[in-house]
Parts: sequence; structure tokens; C-alpha cells
Amino acid sequence: DIVMIQSPDSLAVSLGERATIDCKSSQSVLNSSNNKSYLAWYQQEPGQAPKLLIYWASTRESGVPDRFSGSGSGTDFTLTISSLQAEDVAVYYCQQFYTTPYTFGQGTNLEIK
Amino acid sequence: QVQLQESGPGLVKPSETLSLTCTVSGGSVSSGSYYWSWIRQSPGKGLEYIGYIFYSGSINYNPSLKGRVTISRDTSKNQFSLKLSFVTAADTAVYYCAKISRDTSGPFNPFDIWGQGTMVTVSS
Repeated sequence: DIVMIQSPDSLAVSLGERATIDCKSSQSVLNSSNNKSYLAWYQQEPGQAPKLLIYWASTRESGVPDRFSGSGSGTDFTLTISSLQAEDVAVYYCQQFYTTPYTFGQGTNLEIK
Repeated sequence: QVQLQESGPGLVKPSETLSLTCTVSGGSVSSGSYYWSWIRQSPGKGLEYIGYIFYSGSINYNPSLKGRVTISRDTSKNQFSLKLSFVTAADTAVYYCAKISRDTSGPFNPFDIWGQGTMVTVSS
């Protein structure tokens, strides 16, 4: 199985400041035939199901604010929130969909400082 | 817009079979456009993919569940189901159904729609 490791486990950022979460996969999730990395980011608010934010490492899902961005390729990826809002308090997960079994990172708990 | 709703018992005894159903609205389990999936979330193991079913009957299971899992669908009710046998306390989790949209990558796409989840506790 592909192992996904996120860092940090928890993060406290002031309102309006940038938040950055990293995700590393144990093997490349880049499909060389289409040059796409099969990596998604989800947001899970307290008591809610995860919500898809970003896929193909950098494509925002419809309706997701543009303060959320994804970057990276191969094995190293980053989720960036450019200006943290109060409603962004949540746990964030990365997930590879390159191969089954699909696997998730352990999650990063984002709080307001 | 596809919506998903899980249902089933919240308490299951050890060694028995956990059975859950996901009701689909706004889409069809008979559609070749989607893969219908189960995922669970426990404090100890985080988010864990369980498996998916396709309209053709094609199924994929996570090998970690060691043959205890069965996913099926009922086209007449527009539902798909999960059965997990010989449960233990380690199977206590919130269980989610979710949808993968199919494109040229087949099932290799993200989980774009999730149900709200249902908590299942394994205890005598």
C-alpha cells in the first residue's frame, strides 16, 4: 500500500495569515502518461464528513474558495490556505487515488492562534 | 446533485455481521458514470478505504479486510450495501458511503460526494 504522511499533525495560524500543510507519499503518484499526480485534499469540519477541496494535486473542486491552493508532484505535495478565515478550522487530509487500496494521510488539525 | 445517506444498526455484537445501506438520490447505482464506495473512520486508524462497486458488478476490496467484506447493490431501490463479517472492537468506526466519478482514468478519481456517515459500535 502507498503510505501517506502529513506534516505537521497540528497547526495554529492567526486569522489572515498563511497556513501550509505538507503531504508525502511513499511512492510516486504521478501518471507519466498524462502528467497528472493522483492526489486529493479534503477538509473535515467537526462532526461532518470530509469534503473534497482539491484533486490532481492542484485543481480546485467547484465552489472551493480560491484561497485554497494545492501544489506538488510525484511524492511531495502542499496544501496552502493563503489567508486563514475562521471557517477554515478543520482537519485536512491528503489522499492518493493512483492505485487501490486508496490511502489517506493521518490528518492535520488546523486551529486559530 | 447526487446525495448519499447511510443507514443501519448503530450497535453490533462481536463476531456478528455489520450491515449498512447507502441510499442514492440524484443519481443511479446503475449508471456507468460512478463508482460507489465505502470508507470508514476510526480514532485509531484514521480514514480507511473499504471498497467500491461499479454498475457492471465489478468490485474492488481493500485486502486489509481479509475477505470479511461484501459490497452489493440493489438497483430496484437505488441502494448499495456493505456487509462486514466477524466484527471486533477494531471495527468500531464512523462508516461513510461515497461516490467516485468515472472518467478516462476509470476509478482513479477522488471521492467527490460523501454521505453524512453513520457511527457503528461493536460491543456486547
